[in-house]
Amino acid sequence: AQSVTQLDSQVPVFEEAPVELRCNYSSSVSVYLFWYVQYPNQGLQLLLKYLSGSTLVESINGFEAEFNKSQTSFHLRKPSVHISDTAEYFCAVSVNPGYSTLTFGKGTMLLVSP
Amino acid sequence: KAGVTQTPRYLIKTRGQQVTLSCSPISGHRSVSWYQQTPGQGLQFLFEYFSETQRNKGNFPGRFSGRQFSNSRSEMNVSTLELGDSALYLCASSSGPGGAYNEQFFGPGTRLTVL
Repeated sequence: AQSVTQLDSQVPVFEEAPVELRCNYSSSVSVYLFWYVQYPNQGLQLLLKYLSGSTLVESINGFEAEFNKSQTSFHLRKPSVHISDTAEYFCAVSVNPGYSTLTFGKGTMLLVSP
Repeated sequence: KAGVTQTPRYLIKTRGQQVTLSCSPISGHRSVSWYQQTPGQGLQFLFEYFSETQRNKGNFPGRFSGRQFSNSRSEMNVSTLELGDSALYLCASSSGPGGAYNEQFFGPGTRLTVL
């Protein structure tokens, strides 16, 4: 069975500073990787995903993540964060493209302060 | 396009009762998945439905059940509620099965509190 580990439950950072949210996965088969963001009292929104091809994927709001197969990681990075990026971020993995089943990490709360 | 709608948004029940939660997917979407979110266990997959058929089920007891109607709306039911069932229940819809190639759109969730 697959699993996802997000080592940091909370990451405090100052506005305009860079940030990296870590995600490691465990799976014996090929995986599809996702990052979701959850703002307070809202559902999850897809931030970006890796299915195949280029190992570096980007979102429209400046986040990027790199799939590293040898290190089984999919860390999320942003070079300069804004107050509005304060939210909980979830890394997720799917091993069967025919199903919608996602296995999520426990989440990382990104706290951006001025 | 309207997003995924979940009703009710908040619910308070007592142990032993049963509850039904509703999810209306985005118009045109035929796949609906349900997840339970708790502080301790995080997000856990409950079930996936496509065209009224349950395609996959997570590791939850039989007290948790669901169904999907011909209009793609879905309901999940929890019988004999326990304190540990207190959670945010999220519904996600997609145009087709397979979350890798069909983006899942999540609703705001139903927060269930069991007293």
